[in-house]
Amino acid sequence: QVQLQESGPGLVKPSETLTLTCSVSGGALSPYSWNWIRQPAGKGPEWIGRIYSSGSAKYNAFLGSRVTMSVDTSKNQVFLQVTSVTAADTAVYFCARGPPFTSQYNYMDVWGKGTTVTVSS
Amino acid sequence: AIQMTQSPSSLSASVGDRVTITCRASQGIRNDVGWYQQKPGKAPKLLIYGASTLQSGVPSRFSGSGSGTDFTLTIRSLQPEDFATYYCLQDFTYPWTFGQGTQVEI
Repeated sequence: QVQLQESGPGLVKPSETLTLTCSVSGGALSPYSWNWIRQPAGKGPEWIGRIYSSGSAKYNAFLGSRVTMSVDTSKNQVFLQVTSVTAADTAVYFCARGPPFTSQYNYMDVWGKGTTVTVSS
Repeated sequence: AIQMTQSPSSLSASVGDRVTITCRASQGIRNDVGWYQQKPGKAPKLLIYGASTLQSGVPSRFSGSGSGTDFTLTIRSLQPEDFATYYCLQDFTYPWTFGQGTQVEI
């Protein structure tokens, strides 16, 4: 049974870089896609982007050029990096598994429990 | 970005009720819609994908329908564990976008 576990610093200072890790157990990264979603307190989820195990990625433009995703297939980990963070980046961040590139449908069927990130000095 | 307008934002219902939640897309999105259930402090859970395909392990009282711009999630007979917030998500084109959510309350 595939399980996802997000991890990260918890507290980040404004203007710094946030790096989160999604550790995947019970299954391989390939051939799936991997998504990051965030949810500010009391609000709905926001899709940040997805990355395939090949490294090909798509990002939501609302983060502009501040976001980068990457994978380490040898460690079964997926990474999210957000630069120049502000208070608006405070949220719970989730990683979620998506289907392979060849799938007819998109979906996010396995989710981590999420990690809380607070941006504050 | 495609906007997903979800309604109602909240509803009150009783165990055994039939509940319907709708999402309208700002442009046609074929049948590329998923429905997710979220309970407080938990991650969203996939219920339906492709507008009408029930995710494995999800009870059959949940069903989805629609195509183009109008989509519906129906809970046939509401159970106590179904009280939660429900979100639609369009995955037709990037960026994927969620509806605002529907909180189903007792």
